[in-house]
Amino acid sequence: AQKITQTQPGMFVQEKEAVTLDCTYDTSDPSYGLFWYKQPSSGEMIFLIYQGSYDQQNATEGRYSLNFQKARKSANLVISASQLGDSAMYFCAMREQHGSSNTGKLIFGQGTTLQVKP
Amino acid sequence: SAVISQKPSRDICQRGTSLTIQCQVDSQVTMMFWYRQQPGQSLTLIATANQGSEATYESGFVIDKFPISRPNLTFSTLTVSNMSPEDSSIYLCSVEGQGTEAFFGQGTRLTVV
Repeated sequence: AQKITQTQPGMFVQEKEAVTLDCTYDTSDPSYGLFWYKQPSSGEMIFLIYQGSYDQQNATEGRYSLNFQKARKSANLVISASQLGDSAMYFCAMREQHGSSNTGKLIFGQGTTLQVKP
Repeated sequence: SAVISQKPSRDICQRGTSLTIQCQVDSQVTMMFWYRQQPGQSLTLIATANQGSEATYESGFVIDKFPISRPNLTFSTLTVSNMSPEDSSIYLCSVEGQGTEAFFGQGTRLTVV
């Protein structure tokens, strides 16, 4: 069965510093997609970044980058130059595959609460 | 990217009543997904809604409790029926983007009293 694990319930970072949020996954499918979302206290889910299993390079989107280590089955999110507005819950997710079929379903980790200190 | 409008954004409901949540997408999509997020928890998929067919429910969720409609390729509703305080959660609809994206509505924060 596919599984996502986030082992950091909470993290603190100083404003303007970089922070890494950990995510490991487990799947036997060779094709999969990994996502990171930000959830502020309002409850909305904000898409941050995507990494495909066959992508040769680590994904980057502005201040967000994904440290993809396929052999270790890890997909850590790196936020550079943290801002106060980055304080939120962060979820790692994997798109479920059944063989060659993409079900479209997302499997989520337990989340990490990030607090940025001024 | 897809823009998803979800209504209501929040509601407080009496136990035993039902609430219907609407999800409108600005483009045609094949699959729509409904998730539940209980307080302090992660997101769990309730069901997948395809236009023109019955929704497919995940283990632990049943149609009598969470009936879903999908009348066309841009709209879906989720009803939370005969509510109890245990149904207090954030409910979110989601659609796929261009294969590398998955978007969510703003969420419905439901409190059952």
